[in-house]
Amino acid sequence: QSVLTQPPSVSAAPGQKVTITCSGSSSNIGNHYGNSYVSWYQQFPGTAPKLLIYENNKRPSGIPDRFSGSQSGTSATLDITGLQTGDEADYYCGTWDGSLSAVVFGGGTKLTVV
Amino acid sequence: QVQLVESGGGVVQPGRSLRLSCAASRFTFSNFGMHWVRQAPGKGLEWVALISYDGSNKYYADSVKGRFTISRDNSKNTLYLQMSSLRAEDTAVYYCGKDLAAGTVDYWGQGTLVTVSS
Repeated sequence: QSVLTQPPSVSAAPGQKVTITCSGSSSNIGNHYGNSYVSWYQQFPGTAPKLLIYENNKRPSGIPDRFSGSQSGTSATLDITGLQTGDEADYYCGTWDGSLSAVVFGGGTKLTVV
Repeated sequence: QVQLVESGGGVVQPGRSLRLSCAASRFTFSNFGMHWVRQAPGKGLEWVALISYDGSNKYYADSVKGRFTISRDNSKNTLYLQMSSLRAEDTAVYYCGKDLAAGTVDYWGQGTLVTVSS
């Protein structure tokens, strides 16, 4: 069982918007004193994960602004707008847990664009 | 572009040991913390270990604490994971990753498969 909770799957139609949630606790996502920023990763089958969002809402160079992140309290969300079939992938949230002194990931969310 | 290349994976019997390596290039290796993250077949990501830029601080997942050791050689731009007392549940693709800050992995290797089986 993962420390961070994500829905196993989400789906939406091309062009629409989808939101993926990531729920944690005061020792990780809600740990503002411990710099527990949330990151989001995208992973296609058979390939390594790729960083999509870091520090809750920042995008690395090359990541389209269709991808956005936010954090509030002990939860974080990843929004993907203008969905494309090429966005079909697994998405993971991750952060530092101050109580565990460890990086923790969510269980992953499979996005289907139908 | 940052390059990370893992090696050392393979099939190993339960209870035996294995050492993974991660060769880093195209960035100043000695300035950054480094991670190992694994993914069992058909499962999600599981963080394994983190080492600070100079090797002075190391952190481990509870599932590997006391069995795995993360280390680095900054003169060789190489990260290591020494795995001992291997179990079937350690079977996974092992990725090395560069730490951006606060536990974020901004670059990942292609992964190396470790299979623990008799």
